[in-house]
Amino acid sequence: SQQGEEDPQALSIQEGENATMNCSYKTSINNLQWYRQNSGRGLVHLILIRSNEREKHSGRLRVTLDTSKKSSSLLITASRAADTASYFCATDEAYGRQLTFGSGTQLTVLP
Amino acid sequence: DTEVTQTPKHLVMGMTNKKSLKCEQHMGHRAMYWYKQKAKKPPELMFVYSYEKLSINESVPSRFSPECPNSSLLNLHLHALQPEDSALYLCASSQDKTQSRQYFGPGTRLTVT
Repeated sequence: SQQGEEDPQALSIQEGENATMNCSYKTSINNLQWYRQNSGRGLVHLILIRSNEREKHSGRLRVTLDTSKKSSSLLITASRAADTASYFCATDEAYGRQLTFGSGTQLTVLP
Repeated sequence: DTEVTQTPKHLVMGMTNKKSLKCEQHMGHRAMYWYKQKAKKPPELMFVYSYEKLSINESVPSRFSPECPNSSLLNLHLHALQPEDSALYLCASSQDKTQSRQYFGPGTRLTVT
C-alpha cells in the first residue's frame, strides 16, 4: 500500500536552478529514503535519513525530515539535465520492514 | 559487485504462455524482493524472501509464483497472465530483512497480449 504522497507530481526547471520535492507519510517510521528512477529503469538509492536525524547532505542533495509533521523534503542544488528522472521517497515503518513508496515526483531539468 | 541483474530486459507473452523472470545478485544479500510497477506509479511490493524462505506475499494472484533456488537467485514464474499484468517487474535485494536500503535491478518490461 502507498504510504504517502509526494508533491509536486511534476516539476520542470532550468539547468542550474534548485529543485525541491516534498514527501508526506502516515505512520511512525524507522527511516526515510529517497530513490531516483530514470525512465523505465531500476531505482537508485540516493540517501537515507534516520528518524532521529533532522537533516542530511550528500553532494548536491539535502534531505530534511520532520517527524512531528510526518514529512520530508529533498533539495537538489544546481540541477543538471542528467538529474531528469522520477524521485520517490520510501519509508521503513516502525513496525514493518518492507519499504513503502510515495507517489513520486517527475523532475525535468531543461538545458 | 553492487549490481542486481535481471533477465530478460523485455518479455512479450500471450495469456496462455508460461515464462519466468530471473534475478541475480552477488553481494551476499540475504533478502530479495519482487516489485510490480505500472507506468507513472510507484513500485508495489509483491514478495519478500529472507534467507531463501518466503517471508511476505502481498496477496499476489497465484498466476505469479516466486522461487528462490539459492541465496543469489530469485525467479518469478508466470502463468496464465492477464493484459493488466503488463508492467515493469523490479527485483531488489538488501543485506537482510532488517536493512532497509535496497539495491534494484534494471527491471523486466513485461507485455501480456
